[in-house]
Amino acid sequence: DQQVKQNSPSLSVQEGRISILNCDYTNSMFDYFLWYKKYPAEGPTFLISISSIKDKNEDGRFTVFLNKSAKHLSLHIVPSQPGDSAVYFCAATYSGAGSYQLTFGKGTKLSVIP
Amino acid sequence: NAGVTQTPKFQVLKTGQSMTLQCAQDMNHEYMSWYRQDPGMGLRLIHYSVGAGITDQGEVPNGYNVSRSTTEDFPLRLLSAAPSQTSVYFCASSTVRGGGARSYEQYFGPGTRLTVT
Repeated sequence: DQQVKQNSPSLSVQEGRISILNCDYTNSMFDYFLWYKKYPAEGPTFLISISSIKDKNEDGRFTVFLNKSAKHLSLHIVPSQPGDSAVYFCAATYSGAGSYQLTFGKGTKLSVIP
Repeated sequence: NAGVTQTPKFQVLKTGQSMTLQCAQDMNHEYMSWYRQDPGMGLRLIHYSVGAGITDQGEVPNGYNVSRSTTEDFPLRLLSAAPSQTSVYFCASSTVRGGGARSYEQYFGPGTRLTVT
């Protein structure tokens, strides 16, 4: 059973417009969420995170929104740039004692068209 | 500070051969893990370790062995390679300090692309 779901395998956006990547989760114990960005032939790199005590976290052009009641989070990129073209992974974990594992979604490939 | 390093970058094996994928980190992180990435499957956890001498299985451990004799190194062993193990393998590390200093962020290596024929 997939606990973290990214239902859109791909997304194309014009340069300068907003990119919205979505992620749903099923495990109510998850209380910390992360987004990773991955370029081809490289390892994933951390982008932004959010704790379940917040509903929004911003870092420059990147904003993550969390809707706990809907078990849904989204990553907004504004404005989108060609260099943002990559695969984006949503990941979740819980802060219980002894918990260190991240559960990843399958990823969404973002293409930003110049 | 090199972060997380992995060797080799590429490897081709024949079915039944064995090999070890190397992973090292220089950030003094307690937690280390191995993932595999397959098309359309995302990142799946193979094995992980919370410190030297301590390892545990992840989601897809079959066909892989690990050991952790030092904080820095976490090798992944394939005892008898199978075509189903063709994948890209990533090693990651993070700190497991408690309280407000805890970081959930994992740092990933560049990956090893393995093909088993």
